[in-house]
Amino acid sequence: AQSVTQLGSHVSVSEGALVLLRCNYSSSVPPYLFWYVQYPNQGLQLLLKYTSAATLVKGINGFEAEFKKSETSFHLTKPSAHMSDAAEYFCAVSGYNKLIFGAGTRLAVHP
Amino acid sequence: EAGVTQFPSHSVIEKGQTVTLRCDPISGHDNLYWYRRVMGKEIKFLLHFVKESKQDESGMPNNRFLAERTGGTYSTLKVQPAELEDSGVYFCASSQLRGHTEAFFGQGTRLTVV
Repeated sequence: AQSVTQLGSHVSVSEGALVLLRCNYSSSVPPYLFWYVQYPNQGLQLLLKYTSAATLVKGINGFEAEFKKSETSFHLTKPSAHMSDAAEYFCAVSGYNKLIFGAGTRLAVHP
Repeated sequence: EAGVTQFPSHSVIEKGQTVTLRCDPISGHDNLYWYRRVMGKEIKFLLHFVKESKQDESGMPNNRFLAERTGGTYSTLKVQPAELEDSGVYFCASSQLRGHTEAFFGQGTRLTVV
């Protein structure tokens, strides 16, 4: 069975600070991993995805994530937070024709 | 190109009533998925269509939920009768290929059962 754990349901950072959102996964097969973002009153938007190519994946809006098999992790980072990054972020692993999501992390960015 | 469209965006109904949610996938996308997020919990898979056929409906909560995709185009998800615990956000996604490497999500329908 596959599962995803996102550590921290709420994360708060200052504008300009490093953003680090944690995701650990469990998978019996080589995983495909995703980060999605949901801005207020909007749908789910794909930030980035890992599909067994490069372990460091770059996404939109300056975000990136690194796949670490030994740690079963796929943490999302951004060097400098912007106010517009305030949103809810979801990590997901692809199962057989379905996505298994983590519970989500709400990111707050304060001046 | 239009994205995945869901409507209504919001629906408030009373317990016991019926509600039908609609999803229009991206044109040409054979794969259509429904997901649901109950308040404060993770987003969970409901079912998967390939064209008009249900490939996997293992996530459907119970027989009060009925999904259809007649003609392999848009899909509807009907809840009858609605219960309080059905409240949440219902997402639809579509993709041309199986799997989610190129899937696109709609904006979701927020359902509130009172």
